[in-house]
Amino acid sequence: GAGVSQSPSNKVTEKGKDVELRCDPISGHTALYWYRQSLGQGLEFLIYFQGNSAPDKSGLPSDRFSAERTGGSVSTLTIQRTQQEDSAVYLCASSLEPDNEQFFGPGTRLTVL
Amino acid sequence: AQKVTQAQTEISVVEKEDVTLDCVYETRDTTYYLFWYKQPPSGELVFLIRRNSFDEQNEISGRYSWNFQKSTSSFNFTITASQVVDSAVYFCALLQGAQKLVFGQGTRLTINP
Repeated sequence: GAGVSQSPSNKVTEKGKDVELRCDPISGHTALYWYRQSLGQGLEFLIYFQGNSAPDKSGLPSDRFSAERTGGSVSTLTIQRTQQEDSAVYLCASSLEPDNEQFFGPGTRLTVL
Repeated sequence: AQKVTQAQTEISVVEKEDVTLDCVYETRDTTYYLFWYKQPPSGELVFLIRRNSFDEQNEISGRYSWNFQKSTSSFNFTITASQVVDSAVYFCALLQGAQKLVFGQGTRLTINP
């Protein structure tokens, strides 16, 4: 079956612009996660969605970051007023249940000039 | 606090050698899950194994084996008869609160022909 897909695969933007990153989880997976991978910080958790519960936003680095998950499926991560330190690979993952293995998408490489 | 330490930043071996990647974790939870992921040069994180804290039996999957020891809080990964295709960055991770993965810094493994 299809895995986790993310779009775009690459995004180059200018400092101060807003960007939206999209994630399509594996069909039927109830849990969805966003992580960020950068050279200096490694792999960091950003946000977690589970069913209709309120998301766990504890990993979002600032209020410029937000995410939503519509209809329990597709998720969008939005970064407002991008800064150069936002440059990273943004990874989305989904799992059948919260404590199951997470399957990752290919990521979106964001470059802020 | 939950923490995962992969002390080996880089390992380089010659093909057919056995290699062990170390992982040490810290948690106050009595029930937890540990994972290993592989990140090949293509960049996508590939799930390898999930182990819960109640199961200390070693696991073998082909050339891969895992040694879980609660007494030393370690979950080490061994590749037997390594191959060039095993070259990748390997991440050990701990599931925190059944919600987010806490990753180690990764070990870059290079298998030379």
